[in-house]
Amino acid sequence: NAGVTQTPKFQVLKTGQSMTLQCAQDMNHEYMSWYRQDPGMGLRLIHYSVGAGITDQGEVPNGYNVSRSTTEDFPLRLLSAAPSQTSVYFCASTPDLLLREQYFGPGTRLTVT
Amino acid sequence: DAKTTQPPSMDCAEGRAANLPCNHSTISGNEYVYWYRQIHSQGPQYIIHGLKNNETNEMASLIITEDRKSSTLILPHATLRDTAVYYCIVRSPLSGAGSYQLTFGKGTKLSVIP
Repeated sequence: NAGVTQTPKFQVLKTGQSMTLQCAQDMNHEYMSWYRQDPGMGLRLIHYSVGAGITDQGEVPNGYNVSRSTTEDFPLRLLSAAPSQTSVYFCASTPDLLLREQYFGPGTRLTVT
Repeated sequence: DAKTTQPPSMDCAEGRAANLPCNHSTISGNEYVYWYRQIHSQGPQYIIHGLKNNETNEMASLIITEDRKSSTLILPHATLRDTAVYYCIVRSPLSGAGSYQLTFGKGTKLSVIP
């Protein structure tokens, strides 16, 4: 199993550009989520999905969209990048809604200038 | 929502046991306590979780007090590779029915010293 994979590893955007961060898992997990981590801070939940076709907002959803057309993939879209979205983004998956064990991807470092 | 309190930093000598405390005085009866760690800039790594009883796995032991208001993560023989930020987390509900999140605070930065 590859686990949770994320692409790209690094990205630099200009203000106003849009892009999609990719996340995929091969463990057949129903629950997937996106977090952001700012320097010196813990992780904050952006969006999550409890299964294909079902998504919902987390703590900091503004400026981001998600979709879940398959169990495996959970892309995160930045609609119009802003410097405040400079952060490290982590995708995670877990086999059940009790969140007993989340598997995290390696992260995407995004800089918006 | 249950909140957790952890010391911001701790040191531990290599080869000794590392005991990381966590307070969660508002935890409800059916809430699990989870521990994760984050090594440098990597994605967080699951360590262990528990409800009432003490738990042990190949990475660590989790001791939960009888009143469940605090817990301690024990790394029995700390190595330099255990240097990381350790997060103690209690699940909190989301707006979606039956949905929960794990809220990662700032954690405890554990430094294992040679």
